Amino acid sequence: SQQGEEDPQALSIQEGENATMNCSYKTSINNLQWYRQNSGRGLVHLILIRSNEREKHSGRLRVTLDTSKKSSSLLITASRAADTASYFCATDASGNEKLTFGTGTRLTIIP
Amino acid sequence: NAGVTQTPKFRVLKTGQSMTLLCAQDMNHEYMYWYRQDPGMGLRLIHYSVGEGTTAKGEVPDGYNVSRLKKQNFLLGLESAAPSQTSVYFCATSERPRGGQFFGPGTRLTVL
Repeated sequence: SQQGEEDPQALSIQEGENATMNCSYKTSINNLQWYRQNSGRGLVHLILIRSNEREKHSGRLRVTLDTSKKSSSLLITASRAADTASYFCATDASGNEKLTFGTGTRLTIIP
Repeated sequence: NAGVTQTPKFRVLKTGQSMTLLCAQDMNHEYMYWYRQDPGMGLRLIHYSVGEGTTAKGEVPDGYNVSRLKKQNFLLGLESAAPSQTSVYFCATSERPRGGQFFGPGTRLTVL
């Protein structure tokens, strides 16, 4: 069963626009992570946000976490063609050392 | 540093054949994981290891076995391949539990 579910499943935007994708999860967590996967490649870790954090930035990425709603969002500002990829959230349920991945959001940046 | 490497990159098997996928890492990470990725299913954990000589079952362990005889290597075996095991397999490592994971490039396996 999937702990995290991303929304939307697919998103297409013009280059330069901001992209927002969301992740909802079911149980209490220690951390929530976001990963990127380019077509035919392995996943790349983007950012980790702890359950006691509400917002975190890394370059053009901004992640928010709302534990009361069991949801997180990933914002990519000033999108570039190279941002075209699938994005996955991953959560670790409290007391569990394993990650559970969502099904991903497929982001397409139109030049 | 090569990071995480996987061998082979592609493989086609016939039903009933066996094979071993090799994951190797040079980051000295304790934790290693095997996932499979199927369309629309995201990544699902098959088996994982918290250190040399240890293995544990993940979400979908049936039909697979693993071994971690050396810290840097994590092997995934299919004893009798089935078409349902057609998938892309990823190995990952992490320095600590619940930390960010580093992924290999994947192995695309087709079982006919």
